[in-house]
Amino acid sequence: GAVVSQHPSWVICKSGTSVKIECRSLDFQATTMFWYRQFPKQSLMLMATSNEGSKATYEQGVEKDKFLINHASLTLSTLTVTSAHPEDSSFYICSARVAEGLATHYNEQFFGPGTRLTVL
Amino acid sequence: AQSVTQLGSHVSVSEGALVLLRCNYSSSVPPYLFWYVQYPNQGLQLLLKYTTGATLVKGINGFEAEFKKSETSFHLTKPSAHMSDAAEYFCAVSLGNTGGFKTIFGAGTRLFVKA
Repeated sequence: GAVVSQHPSWVICKSGTSVKIECRSLDFQATTMFWYRQFPKQSLMLMATSNEGSKATYEQGVEKDKFLINHASLTLSTLTVTSAHPEDSSFYICSARVAEGLATHYNEQFFGPGTRLTVL
Repeated sequence: AQSVTQLGSHVSVSEGALVLLRCNYSSSVPPYLFWYVQYPNQGLQLLLKYTTGATLVKGINGFEAEFKKSETSFHLTKPSAHMSDAAEYFCAVSLGNTGGFKTIFGAGTRLFVKA
């Protein structure tokens, strides 16, 4: 249980185009999802917190108009990288927090497999 | 403010040797602590977690970690390393309800296992 999927697993696009990455919780409801960015050989950097039905909360220094996040349902959050440029190339990872009431997984996040974005 | 420090960006051990990956944290509230493993081009897999109760936590693949409040540490150990243990390991602390359930990650420690 508690599986999170991401689609696509990798994407190559031209500079100036927009790319959408999906994050789905497959067997549980996620009130909160998180989006991370990871540069090679570095740790995960939290980009934003996504709550179902409300606007995402972005971390300092993350451009909300550049990285559009939508959390339309309890099982799906999307990250759209708008007008992508080579410096946006990175590994993007989402995670999902189990909805309230499941004490055994309280405070625990389940991670997706990541999406490798390469912008040419 | 919460933070996580992993001592040593790289650790190299021989196959069969003890694995010790160090993690120290700072937290203004009782911490929820985690160790994750990441293989190349993959997401994070939870190894183990500490929430409350027993301070020695056993996880998957023979790993365990001990929460030591007095030392603000949560070191990860495994008695005998396997080649398959070679990966990146992240220690993390959850900010809990007051912090929007965000998770703060350490910089990571890459484990090399020599044959």
